[in-house]
Amino acid sequence: ILNVEQSPQSLHVQEGDSTNFTCSFPSSNFYALHWYRWETAKSPEALFVMTLNGDEKKKGRISATLNTKEGYSYLYIKGSQPEDSATYLCAPPYGQNFVFGPGTRLSVLP
Amino acid sequence: DSGVTQTPKHLITATGQRVTLRCSPRSGDLSVYWYQQSLDQGLQFLIQYYNGEERAKGNILERFSAQQFPDLHSELNLSSLELGDSALYFCASSASGDTHAAAFFGQGTRLTVV
Repeated sequence: ILNVEQSPQSLHVQEGDSTNFTCSFPSSNFYALHWYRWETAKSPEALFVMTLNGDEKKKGRISATLNTKEGYSYLYIKGSQPEDSATYLCAPPYGQNFVFGPGTRLSVLP
Repeated sequence: DSGVTQTPKHLITATGQRVTLRCSPRSGDLSVYWYQQSLDQGLQFLIQYYNGEERAKGNILERFSAQQFPDLHSELNLSSLELGDSALYFCASSASGDTHAAAFFGQGTRLTVV
């Protein structure tokens, strides 16, 4: 079973703060890494699919980087807004599939 | 709206019963995944189908089974239900079913076993 760690488990920030969280995974047999945003009472929504070591993706105020050699990915949110409040899940590969980490729950306080 | 449709949205049933959850993938997507989210648990991968064939199997109980039909919709069958099977069941679809393709999730079916 793939051991995926995400840290921190939860995070509270003030509106306007920038923040980042980490996804750690075994670095062998890498195929791709996904980031998803999961808002309460909704379904997970894909943010990024990352496939190359050193890959950097950006979507608005959210960006992500990937280091496959050391087995980690960072997700950054610049100038957090209350609508960014959600659980952020990473999903590294497992065989031909991917498995979800436990998530980082972000709360942005107005 | 992700384009993935799951029915029913809610289901309440008694222990020992059998239920079927249905998923219609996004138009054009060939792969369907099923996930279970129990209370205070993350998303647990159950099973994946690609173009009608089982592609990968996760922590799916023997009491559970699934299939993908020629029109690409999928059904997850849960039998001999126990209280611990109460959970939110998500279906997701992707175009190719490989790890480079993002998955699009349905709204989930909340199953309550009483």
